[in-house]
Amino acid sequence: DTAVSQTPKYLVTQMGNDKSIKCEQNLGHDTMYWYKQDSKKFLKIMFSYNNKELIINETVPNRFSPKSPDKAHLNLHINSLELGDSAVYFCASSQRSGIQETQYFGPGTRLLVL
Amino acid sequence: DQQVKQNSPSLSVQEGRISILNCDYTNSMFDYFLWYKKYPAEGPTFLISISSIKDKNEDGRFTVFLNKSAKHLSLHIVPSQPGDSAVYFCAGLNSGGGADGLTFGKGTHLIIQP
Repeated sequence: DTAVSQTPKYLVTQMGNDKSIKCEQNLGHDTMYWYKQDSKKFLKIMFSYNNKELIINETVPNRFSPKSPDKAHLNLHINSLELGDSAVYFCASSQRSGIQETQYFGPGTRLLVL
Repeated sequence: DQQVKQNSPSLSVQEGRISILNCDYTNSMFDYFLWYKKYPAEGPTFLISISSIKDKNEDGRFTVFLNKSAKHLSLHIVPSQPGDSAVYFCAGLNSGGGADGLTFGKGTHLIIQP
């Protein structure tokens, strides 16, 4: 009964490939996110998706595209993978209540690009 | 430009004593703050939060203090237990910023020594 789940947990692939990471939440939240934790351990927002509104962090390359088939899913598709894409990617979801917004994170997907 | 700073990469505390983790922020638009705990190979887990209208929030062994004028918050854990050993992330949120996501610090690795 995991609240936020991601698959796969580990992903090793070659440069230039296209890959997808799936995320599902069963919390009934209306906002989902993708974060990237790089080698320096910073967790940085990549995308947020709320009621079909996509907000993109301007630093994210357009090779990255989120896709949301429904409110419970936000998948991350990456085209033409590069070495620098190696990182841990976390999905999260939240439901805002006033100014309070607690985000719940998935276990992460460890991507290694060779 | 780090908007949230955790200047101590690591902290070692004896079991049973108080652990104090510090966090500074620069973005005056942040009005909600959260602490997350992260074990290796897992996603961040929500611990405790505080809104900017308060200066203290307590939940069991965990207390978060907010000093808005100093743009500083701290997490107190007392008494510290071995299971508290983890990386702790401080995060700030601008609730009026749409689905901007959380801005995280770099984390502090807390080590509880028996």
